[in-house]
Amino acid sequence: DAKTTQPNSMESNEEEPVHLPCNHSTISGTDYIHWYRQLPSQGPEYVIHGLTSNVNNRMASLAIAEDRKSSTLILHRATLRDAAVYYCILVGWETSGSRLTFGEGTQLTVNP
Amino acid sequence: AAGVIQSPRHLIKEKRETATLKCYPIPRHDTVYWYQQGPGQDPQFLISFYEKMQSDKGSIPDRFSAQQFSDYHSELNMSSLELGDSALYFCASSPATAGGFIYEQYFGPGTRLTVT
Repeated sequence: DAKTTQPNSMESNEEEPVHLPCNHSTISGTDYIHWYRQLPSQGPEYVIHGLTSNVNNRMASLAIAEDRKSSTLILHRATLRDAAVYYCILVGWETSGSRLTFGEGTQLTVNP
Repeated sequence: AAGVIQSPRHLIKEKRETATLKCYPIPRHDTVYWYQQGPGQDPQFLISFYEKMQSDKGSIPDRFSAQQFSDYHSELNMSSLELGDSALYFCASSPATAGGFIYEQYFGPGTRLTVT
């Protein structure tokens, strides 16, 4: 499976933007970049995904490098509720099917 | 909006006993996934079903089996339980993954299994 690398932890202040990086230098041409997050004592929650172009939804934005070897999840205004573990996951039929392979993720702390 | 339902939410069993976990996917979702999350660990994929057929298999012990029924709900059966099986078990569902597109997965609240 193609691997992703994320910082173990990041810290932000409430109402400030947060940029969560992910490196995936061995990404396959058909792999989608998915982001999930897991709040304490809850199941993982889908955030956003993309293939080549930048993506926006109500929760976040996803910026994908032109060579697709890295991506950044952007939370525009962090709230206390955004404190969670964020997982960057590559999903593709040729490499892993549709299963999600969770790595270590980034623990985001949001300070009031 | 309807979410994934899992039952029971908590389960306590003794070693060597059997447990059955149930998952009810979001309506019109025909793909179900099972994940296991041990204490302090990240979720690990166990098995998935599409249209009542097993579609993928991960690190699921031979003591575990699962199936998806005609109404698309799924059950994870676990026998000869061991202390190491104590974990959170999540079920997720997604719309059909046919046609090359991979949809996002929607997770349930999980079943916390404690084996004593």
